[in-house]
Amino acid sequence: AQSVTQLGSHVSVSEGALVLLRCNYSSSVPPYLFWYVQYPNQGLQLLLKYTSAATLVKGINGFEAEFKKSETSFHLTKPSAHMSDAAEYFCAVHSGGSNYKLTFGKGTLLTVNP
Amino acid sequence: DADVTQTPRNRITKTGKRIMLECSQTKGHDRMYWYRQDPGLGLRLIYYSFDVKDINKGEISDGYSVSRQAQAKFSLSLESAIPNQTALYFCATSATGGVDTQYFGPGTRLTVL
Repeated sequence: AQSVTQLGSHVSVSEGALVLLRCNYSSSVPPYLFWYVQYPNQGLQLLLKYTSAATLVKGINGFEAEFKKSETSFHLTKPSAHMSDAAEYFCAVHSGGSNYKLTFGKGTLLTVNP
Repeated sequence: DADVTQTPRNRITKTGKRIMLECSQTKGHDRMYWYRQDPGLGLRLIYYSFDVKDINKGEISDGYSVSRQAQAKFSLSLESAIPNQTALYFCATSATGGVDTQYFGPGTRLTVL
């Protein structure tokens, strides 16, 4: 079985501050990991994904995430928050194999204060 | 035009009514999914289909049914809607094999009174 835990349902940062959104996963096999973003009144779109290549993954809009097997973590970071980053962020895990199903975390709402 | 479209975008219905949510995609993907989003619960998989003849239940399929009319179309039905099915519903697609990205539609907001 696979699962994802996102620590903090709501994170608030100031514009220009570091963004850190936490994700821990559980998987019986080496996982594939994703971060999706949902802007208000929109569907989800992919920010970045880890597929067992480089452990530091760069995504769109200046976000990146680092896969740490020893910590079973895949935290999302951005050095300097912009107002446009305000959205809900979802971490997801897929344990490979032919049945391609994603398991999503419960989401973290990011608020960016001016 | 959007690659994954959902109709309707908003729907209000009454308890006991049958309702169908439709999803169409122009990405040429074989795999399609229906998710439900509730505040604080994230996205939960209702049904998924890996091709036209393949339909599988997800983690919360009770009270729902689906139909894969063609490669590009995947419909979700609530045979007898109940208030706790009030939620935001998303359709998604992905290519076959590997760990391809899922592409989401804009969602349908369903309210059951």
